[in-house]
Amino acid sequence: DTGVSQNPRHKITKRGQNVTFRCDPISEHNRLYWYRQTLGQGPEFLTYFQNEAQLEKSRLLSDRFSAERPKGSFSTLEIQRTEQGDSAMYLCASSLEGQGSGNTIYFGEGSWLTVV
Amino acid sequence: SQQGEEDPQALSIQEGENATMNCSYKTSINNLQWYRQNSGRGLVHLILIRSNEREKHSGRLRVTLDTSKKSSSLLITASRAADTASYFCGSGNTGKLIFGQGTTLQVKP
Repeated sequence: DTGVSQNPRHKITKRGQNVTFRCDPISEHNRLYWYRQTLGQGPEFLTYFQNEAQLEKSRLLSDRFSAERPKGSFSTLEIQRTEQGDSAMYLCASSLEGQGSGNTIYFGEGSWLTVV
Repeated sequence: SQQGEEDPQALSIQEGENATMNCSYKTSINNLQWYRQNSGRGLVHLILIRSNEREKHSGRLRVTLDTSKKSSSLLITASRAADTASYFCGSGNTGKLIFGQGTTLQVKP
């Protein structure tokens, strides 16, 4: 169990460019989540996957955002045509879910995005 | 939009004192999870409490849950300077967690 891994940890990009973040969940965790957090705020839910299926997307996830988890393992979050308002920390999390009332959700260290 | 609210937003105490922070949520939940976040870092899981539980302990941490009031509290006893961080509660229903704005705790040595 090496924890949730996110790359890159920091990304500075020019407005209008595309960026992609990668998340490697804890091995065998079937659920994977993406959150966004701005300074002084709590994490805001973006989307989550159960295996390779994207089960829920927040209204915060505009058309410029797309997330994939093609083989049910790692996931990518792509932001197209970045805007300054996209500057935030993007957090990935994972959990092992079966039947029942939910299990511990583990977070990674986050990927910081600065759009200049 | 955030589902929950933490109270107080900021708390400053002396080392050795107890710290209590509260969390309220809006809809029914299956579980509630507390996390700590140091500046610029990810969230570190502290405790998960399920909707059919009323209290859980882990070391110096005590969490209570009152589903009738849709609220939870986190008590840190005998605080240390290393406890300085932001604390968030995430309320879970359909699988994801919804967070409030957190409580920033400063423990002065």
